Amino acid sequence: GIQVEQSPPDLILQEGANSTLRCNFSDSVNNLQWFHQNPWGQLINLFYIPSGTKQNGRLSATTVATERYSLLYISSSQTTDSGVYFCAERTPYGGATNKLIFGTGTLLAVQP
Amino acid sequence: EPEVTQTPSHQVTQMGQEVILRCVPISNHLYFYWYRQILGQKVEFLVSFYNNEISEKSEIFDDQFSVERPDGSNFTLKIRSTKLEDSAMYFCATRTGGISGANVLTFGAGSRLTVL
Repeated sequence: GIQVEQSPPDLILQEGANSTLRCNFSDSVNNLQWFHQNPWGQLINLFYIPSGTKQNGRLSATTVATERYSLLYISSSQTTDSGVYFCAERTPYGGATNKLIFGTGTLLAVQP
Repeated sequence: EPEVTQTPSHQVTQMGQEVILRCVPISNHLYFYWYRQILGQKVEFLVSFYNNEISEKSEIFDDQFSVERPDGSNFTLKIRSTKLEDSAMYFCATRTGGISGANVLTFGAGSRLTVL
């Protein structure tokens, strides 16, 4: 099955710093989503990005499908960015389910 | 923005009791999922549901688990006889379907289940 690996596993930043989170896939990219899990446990969808680059405020994401990885950039980090960041890849279209397979996550702590 | 609504937000139950977790999908969504996250671990797929039947289930989804959409609105996950290891956050997720770029999975806020 699809393997999804994330790095680094945890990261501590000072407020205002920038960071890059990485997601590697064992299979071709079909449907990639980035999520932020806040301290209350809610999964917030950040990006749907099977290829290319998207930006939303201080966050941007790039997926290089041919090389099977995606990057999430956080610029000028704030304490509210703290939490766990998950990437998830969908099983190839045409399968029975198209379920998402989640990575192990990156735990981000932004200190004031 | 449309939301996936889950109830209860937190439930505490005794081992061996039955639990029903409820989800109200976004109205035009056709595919429904339950995921589970044990504290400190990654999010795991449990089951997918389409056209009033299960389309796929994981190894976790054993005979103690069941899903249904009884009234065409709510999508429920039932655990018949809870075990300590069922303690987790349970997420409902839904999507519209099709192959368009809008085929994004939207998650509810989760139901935290604590089994004592």
